[in-house]
Amino acid sequence: DVKVTQSSRYLVKRTGEKVFLECVQDMDHENMFWYRQDPGLGLRLIYFSYDVKMKEKGDIPEGYSVSREKKERFSLILESASTNQTSMYLCASSLQPAGGGTEAFFGQGTRLTVV
Amino acid sequence: RKEVEQDPGPFNVPEGATVAFNCTYSNSASQSFFWYRQDCRKEPKLLMSVYSSGNEDGRFTAQLNRASQYISLLIRDSKLSDSATYLCVVNIRAESGGGADGLTFGKGTHLIIQP
Repeated sequence: DVKVTQSSRYLVKRTGEKVFLECVQDMDHENMFWYRQDPGLGLRLIYFSYDVKMKEKGDIPEGYSVSREKKERFSLILESASTNQTSMYLCASSLQPAGGGTEAFFGQGTRLTVV
Repeated sequence: RKEVEQDPGPFNVPEGATVAFNCTYSNSASQSFFWYRQDCRKEPKLLMSVYSSGNEDGRFTAQLNRASQYISLLIRDSKLSDSATYLCVVNIRAESGGGADGLTFGKGTHLIIQP
């Protein structure tokens, strides 16, 4: 059974802290993604990666960075957490076929609260 | 700018009825199309891919109109368990040529099936 695992379901951090959100997939997928989901705004892509050490900015990369040192792990980093980064964070992974367009599998989400 | 538009609803529909959603996308370079389902406080999961010729999976039918840039989802004989948020998803290949699937999500259509 396919699996994307996020390290925490709930997280509370203080303003200014450096925050690491970890995501691991066991499906040998090339692509990995980080989204945030907010009421009324839907899922918005923060960053994605199509290979180890490769990354692409999504629609809202400001205030975030990512790291992909191993194929199975994709980390999202909040350099200095702010209250407007309070959100549900969802990690996903997918295969990378030549024709494009395959199913993305999501982790269960991390609800981050910045106080 | 990548954009996927959906009517947020909610759609309140009696059990057994047929309901249809539409979704429009603005980027004509979009390559792949999907409908995802998201239950309350859960991660999104793939409902079905959408093919140019249209496709059916049990009570669900998806269609794509590339000329008008919209996709649709039809649910027949709706069940209480169909209550969820339905997310329209479009795949646009990254400009870097790296080949990652840049999935863009609509904000979702909330469906409530009433007994």
